[in-house]
Amino acid sequence: SYVLTQPPSVSVAPGQTARITCGGNNIGSKSVHWYQQKPGQAPVLVVYDDSDRPSGIPERFSGSNSGNTATLTISRVEAGDEADYYCQVWDSSSDRWVFGGGTKLTVL
Amino acid sequence: EVQLVQSGAEVKKPGESLKISCKGSGYSFTSYWIGWVRQMPGKGLEWMGIIYPGDSDTRYSPSFQGQVTISADKSISTAYLQWSSLKASDTAMYYCARTVSGGPTDGMDVWGQGTTVTVSS
Repeated sequence: SYVLTQPPSVSVAPGQTARITCGGNNIGSKSVHWYQQKPGQAPVLVVYDDSDRPSGIPERFSGSNSGNTATLTISRVEAGDEADYYCQVWDSSSDRWVFGGGTKLTVL
Repeated sequence: EVQLVQSGAEVKKPGESLKISCKGSGYSFTSYWIGWVRQMPGKGLEWMGIIYPGDSDTRYSPSFQGQVTISADKSISTAYLQWSSLKASDTAMYYCARTVSGGPTDGMDVWGQGTTVTVSS
């Protein structure tokens, strides 16, 4: 089965850039979606189809995908960005969704 | 406003059955896939399955196939997740979510508020 690997945690100072990776075999051939989840809340889609942003999501959130790694980049990080982030892809070989294990972003 | 509203928290005993719901509004319910996601306490997101209410085409995660049933009633714009015999390990938060557009591979841009299911003797 297809596996997505995320680092358990990423720490960044306010105003700096956070990069959260999502590794998978030839993930560059798939569309990657990213979700933000704050404690006690439902997930929120922040990037879809590798690099598109839903309406209402700040331009500070961007995504890229190539080779075996997809990356969510958060520029000018704010305290309010502290959350868990999950990547997701559709595995066409098994006809199912796969989530990464999640990354906890800590704003120092 | 596009929204998904889920049914309220449930407390059940092992072996009991349960059906939770997810009602869509503000959009064409039959034109978007609805997925179900489990989140066990303190853990990550797990995809359970997805349904297209327009024709009830349903796909399940192998981890949940045979353990739950996903259905939809398009006449009342509601999707369901049901168990015939709950286990303590089914204790979790369950979310429904709608795909961005008409394909099952799209991201999910509208989420329900979640339904907490607690199974305890």
